Amino acid sequence: KQEVTQIPAALSVPEGENLVLNCSFTDSAIYNLQWFRQDPGKGLTSLLLIQSSQREQTSGRLNASLDKSSGRSTLYIAASQPGDSATYLCAVREGSQGNLIFGKGTKLSVKP
Amino acid sequence: AAGVIQSPRHLIKEKRETATLKCYPIPRHDTVYWYQQGPGQDPQFLISFYEKMQSDKGSIPDRFSAQQFSDYHSELNMSSLELGDSALYFCASSSTINLFNKQYFGPGTRLTVT
Repeated sequence: KQEVTQIPAALSVPEGENLVLNCSFTDSAIYNLQWFRQDPGKGLTSLLLIQSSQREQTSGRLNASLDKSSGRSTLYIAASQPGDSATYLCAVREGSQGNLIFGKGTKLSVKP
Repeated sequence: AAGVIQSPRHLIKEKRETATLKCYPIPRHDTVYWYQQGPGQDPQFLISFYEKMQSDKGSIPDRFSAQQFSDYHSELNMSSLELGDSALYFCASSSTINLFNKQYFGPGTRLTVT
């Protein structure tokens, strides 16, 4: 059974720092991996989607990498801002029509 | 661009009552997924439909049922509500003919059971 783990569970950094969020999954036979942002009590905002054949995706200050063979993905946030404070969720999909399996998230706090 | 619509956005029910949550997928999307996110928890997959047929089932209680209609909207019916059913319920839709068949999430319905 696929399990997704995110480390750390919580992270507090000063504004301007570059940071890395980690995601690992137990079964490397994934279709794709997605990173989401969730503000408290709010919905899921998709940040980046990486197909299993891809190594990384970039959007603005965000860069996500995927090492499928080792079951790992990282989300790199450059020059963090207080507005980046949220919970970041990693989710894997095992088939082209499969559901998403989520990690428990990393709660990020960026202090001014 | 049109997004996934969920209604209602907030719902308050008492124990043992029933609730119906609705999801309107992005036009021309053929697959709908339902997820449940309890307080402080990660979203858990409940059930999915492809072309109006149930395609996969996750941790959906027997008290819950769902269907997808001819216009592709979906409804999640929840009966004999329990306090533990209080959660954020997300619907997502995707299209099998789109690149990567990405799931697009709705804003969620917050269900509170008192």
